[in-house]
Amino acid sequence: QQQVKQSPQSLIVQKGGIPIINCAYENTAFDYFPWYQQFPGKGPALLIAIRPDVSEKKEGRFTISFNKSAKQFSLHIMDSQPGDSATYFCAASSSGGGNKLTFGTGTQLKVEL
Amino acid sequence: EAGVVQSPRYKIIEKKQPVAFWCNPISGHNTLYWYRQNLGQGPELLIRYENEEAVDDSQLPKDRFSAERLKGVDSTLKIQPAELGDSAVYLCASSAPGHDDVQYFGPGTRLTVT
Repeated sequence: QQQVKQSPQSLIVQKGGIPIINCAYENTAFDYFPWYQQFPGKGPALLIAIRPDVSEKKEGRFTISFNKSAKQFSLHIMDSQPGDSATYFCAASSSGGGNKLTFGTGTQLKVEL
Repeated sequence: EAGVVQSPRYKIIEKKQPVAFWCNPISGHNTLYWYRQNLGQGPELLIRYENEEAVDDSQLPKDRFSAERLKGVDSTLKIQPAELGDSAVYLCASSAPGHDDVQYFGPGTRLTVT
């Protein structure tokens, strides 16, 4: 059973655009929602994370929006740059579940000049 | 500060052969994770160690996979015998005491079984 659904599978935007990646979860015990960025040949790297006590978190050009009632969260990348081209994974975990990360299937983002 | 180190980076073996992957976590990180990442998918946890104890191995296919972390530092993941479906990237990650929600990943070992 896939517990974290991610969309879209791939995304192409122009430089300066605002790509949005969406995730939905099923397990209401999840209490930590990170986003990871992965470049080819590299391991995933933590980008930004949110807990359900807030509805939005910003770090630089990256923003997470969180909707607890809808069990959805999304990543927005402001003023996207070609260097942002990578695969993005959402994930979720619960502190009561040993912080085991359940990942989405990933979104391949390409930012074109 | 050095990150999570994994070796080898690439491995090609024939089916039914054994293979082993090695991981050295970030210094001071007591929690170590092994994940498998299939092509086009997110990582899936295989096993989690707290120091030298395997605290979650529910997703580890124990008929052919084994892992150890004898001194609570570096770890080895073994597959014997390998099957075609084991082709994937095997990722190691670690986290600091009290900060299990922040996991640092190594570059992974890309395994190809022919």
